[in-house]
Amino acid sequence: DAKTTQPNSMESNEEEPVHLPCNHSTISGTDYIHWYRQLPSQGPEYVIHGLTSNVNNRMASLAIAEDRKSSTLILHRATLRDAAVYYCIEAGNMLTFGGGTRLMVKP
Amino acid sequence: EAQVTQNPRYLITVTGKKLTVTCSQNMNHEYMSWYRQDPGLGLRQIYYSMNVEVTDKGDVPEGYKVSRKEKRNFPLILESPSPNQTSLYFCASSLYGNTEAFFGQGTRLTVV
Repeated sequence: DAKTTQPNSMESNEEEPVHLPCNHSTISGTDYIHWYRQLPSQGPEYVIHGLTSNVNNRMASLAIAEDRKSSTLILHRATLRDAAVYYCIEAGNMLTFGGGTRLMVKP
Repeated sequence: EAQVTQNPRYLITVTGKKLTVTCSQNMNHEYMSWYRQDPGLGLRQIYYSMNVEVTDKGDVPEGYKVSRKEKRNFPLILESPSPNQTSLYFCASSLYGNTEAFFGQGTRLTVV
């Protein structure tokens, strides 16, 4: 069973920041937090991952709570191409996908 | 270019006719896995392999077989396909189980 909890859907305006929340209250100390996204008719695509510290890459930022029970994926300026389903995953020795958050971006 | 390649992309077959979906990666990754994606059920792992000759069941292994004879290839075998295996299948690879995973473009299988 998926161990993370995410909102089913979120909406954003184009060129505005988006904060996608995720709860993972039962995460173990060695599990990484991964985020993937899936665009329509494509396979999942890696976005970012982290263990304890906040992480930044060219796609997004990942803010991890100090107790590691939650995290937030931050898209700094949403574009129409960011409309996708975003999955937050506790990664032990495998990736278990939950339902994800469907992000809709309005022009 | 780093990639995971699945073939075929689309397949229609009849019940009971054995089929193989191939998966190949060019990144020298240790870990490979297969998922199926169904409406309302999301992505569920079928089998995974942590290294050559090492495979293990995921969440929904019934009706499937895999093999990992060499690092780059991880075929998914349906010995006797049934209509409930109609689904969208994804292969993935990563250096280890908890590192960045790369997914193939998917194989849409229909069993009639």
